[in-house]
Amino acid sequence: QKEVEQNSGPLSVPEGAIASLNCTYSDRVSQSFFWYRQYSGKSPELIMSIYSNGDKEDGRFTAQLNKASQYVSLLIRDSQPSDSATYLCAVNMVRDMRFGAGTRLTVKP
Amino acid sequence: SQTIHQWPATLVQPVGSPLSLECTVEGTSNPNLYWYRQAAGRGLQLLFYSVGIGQISSEVPQNLSASRPQDRQFILSSKKLLLSDSGFYLCAWRAGGAGELFFGEGSRLTVL
Repeated sequence: QKEVEQNSGPLSVPEGAIASLNCTYSDRVSQSFFWYRQYSGKSPELIMSIYSNGDKEDGRFTAQLNKASQYVSLLIRDSQPSDSATYLCAVNMVRDMRFGAGTRLTVKP
Repeated sequence: SQTIHQWPATLVQPVGSPLSLECTVEGTSNPNLYWYRQAAGRGLQLLFYSVGIGQISSEVPQNLSASRPQDRQFILSSKKLLLSDSGFYLCAWRAGGAGELFFGEGSRLTVL
């Protein structure tokens, strides 16, 4: 089992819709979780972090964490074409951070 | 504010040639430093991490090595490149071992 798993996509949504990205992880002791956005040819940039069970909202982004199910998700409301990118789920391990393979999101105008 | 820089941004190297990628962090002290590699269309693979000067942990046995000669400097090297070393190399830092990771601009390596 991979340490961090994501659906590779591609995920395509129309402009204005909600995009839902999912991630599962294997290490039950992990305490901190992150979502990164990576545009083609660029380095990843942090968009959300979440440490506690429940929802965390930041503008159009909502991160959801369920430690019992070892599940993290990212919702993007009112999706825009500029949101088209690969979204990486990251889970903090003992001394480093492990990443999923990423989900490629395309938002169609 | 903290910044991270890595260079060169792009390089094309022949098989068997040496490699040196450099990364520096400004605006913080004693950062944890990381080297990741991303092959085309793939996720991030952790190569090395360092919690202090001269302290390097290797995640993947290969022909790459890393060094941390100064607190905020992290270097990735190879004596002889392989075709499989091609990829997008990312240096990253964070304060301590549990917070957010911040990436440099990346170095795209093509080995021919």
